[in-house]
Amino acid sequence: AQTVTQSQPEMSVQEAETVTLSCTYDTSENNYYLFWYKQPPSRQMILVIRQEAYKQQNATENRFSVNFQKAAKSFSLKISDSQLGDTAMYFCAFMKLSGNTPLVFGKGTRLSVIA
Amino acid sequence: SQTIHQWPATLVQPVGSPLSLECTVEGTSNPNLYWYRQAAGRGLQLLFYSVGIGQISSEVPQNLSASRPQDRQFILSSKKLLLSDSGFYLCAWRRGQGDEAFFGQGTRLTVV
Repeated sequence: AQTVTQSQPEMSVQEAETVTLSCTYDTSENNYYLFWYKQPPSRQMILVIRQEAYKQQNATENRFSVNFQKAAKSFSLKISDSQLGDTAMYFCAFMKLSGNTPLVFGKGTRLSVIA
Repeated sequence: SQTIHQWPATLVQPVGSPLSLECTVEGTSNPNLYWYRQAAGRGLQLLFYSVGIGQISSEVPQNLSASRPQDRQFILSSKKLLLSDSGFYLCAWRRGQGDEAFFGQGTRLTVV
């Protein structure tokens, strides 16, 4: 079974600074997807970024980028120029490519952006 | 475009009462559907998922059940709620392999 570990329950960052959230996973699969979701105080789950395991290039979405290290099974999220609206829970998730298996989530990291 | 509706948004129920949470998806057909629970300070725990009408997979044996009476409808139920059923319940859907999941706005259930 796949597991996803987020070792940082809480983090804080000053506005305009950069922060990196960690995520590691365990799988025997070779083809899979990884995701970062954001859950602001409204509790709506929002997709931030996704990474296909077969792609070596790290995914980027505006201020959000990932550092995907397949051999190390590591998938960290970097938020640049942090904004107050980035304050949220961030969940890392894993999904096998084959079949219709569900996403497996980590326990989340609560990020606070401080003015 | 596709949308997902989940209701009610909040619910307070006494111990021992029944439960029915509903989730519907619009704008797509044959979606994969999921029920997750988020307990306070915890991550998302998968409860049930369905790849088709009448097909339900249970991840965690507990006091809850799920049904999919129609292609785009997914219902989470309980005959008798326990205090430990309190939490935030999220419905989600995705098209199929490789697609991300899209979430409803969630239901905050408090069992008193």
